[in-house]
Amino acid sequence: GQQLNQSPQSMFIQEGEDVSMNCTSSSIFNTWLWYKQEPGEGPVLLIALYKAGELTSNGRLTAQFGITRKDSFLNISASIPSDVGIYFCAGWTSSNTGKLIFGQGTTLQVKP
Amino acid sequence: GAGVSQSPSNKVTEKGKDVELRCDPISGHTALYWYRQSLGQGLEFLIYFQGNSAPDKSGLPSDRFSAERTGGSVSTLTIQRTQQEDSAVYLCASSFSGPSAQETQYFGPGTRLLVL
Repeated sequence: GQQLNQSPQSMFIQEGEDVSMNCTSSSIFNTWLWYKQEPGEGPVLLIALYKAGELTSNGRLTAQFGITRKDSFLNISASIPSDVGIYFCAGWTSSNTGKLIFGQGTTLQVKP
Repeated sequence: GAGVSQSPSNKVTEKGKDVELRCDPISGHTALYWYRQSLGQGLEFLIYFQGNSAPDKSGLPSDRFSAERTGGSVSTLTIQRTQQEDSAVYLCASSFSGPSAQETQYFGPGTRLLVL
């Protein structure tokens, strides 16, 4: 079935550093989403991307929808301790009727 | 309510017992989704409801899993004869309409199920 490969699996960085994570797929996706999940909570939508090549920012977050429609990345600039959590990419395909396909997640830890 | 709520927040059960997990979606949301999140994994789609109907049950892992939704609101996910591999966080989400790429899914905090 369709899969999203997300990397890195985990990151441990110093406060103030920039972070980059990405997702790739062998299938084409028409929409890419990035979620953040904090401990004990459900995922919360951070950014949604709808067009190939689209670059979207939300505060210190920047995400891009790859030209091939098979990949996306998320950058976090000047990380702060509250950025800690698990970041998931997710995608919709043209044949998708109700299923979001999720990546395995990137666990981010930030050292003050 | 203000957000999606789920109960119980934690459930420990013995292998072979049945469990029921409850989801209260955001008021007015017509679509409701169930996902399973195993340790260190992404979210795995189980089933979604549009109103009280479930057009897509393809993600249910086995016939021990079932779900229903009544009154276009509350949904219950039932796992019969639980197995240890059923241990996971079960997440519920709802959206105003859809499902579609333009409809944001709002997630509840999940139910952490541990089968001993």
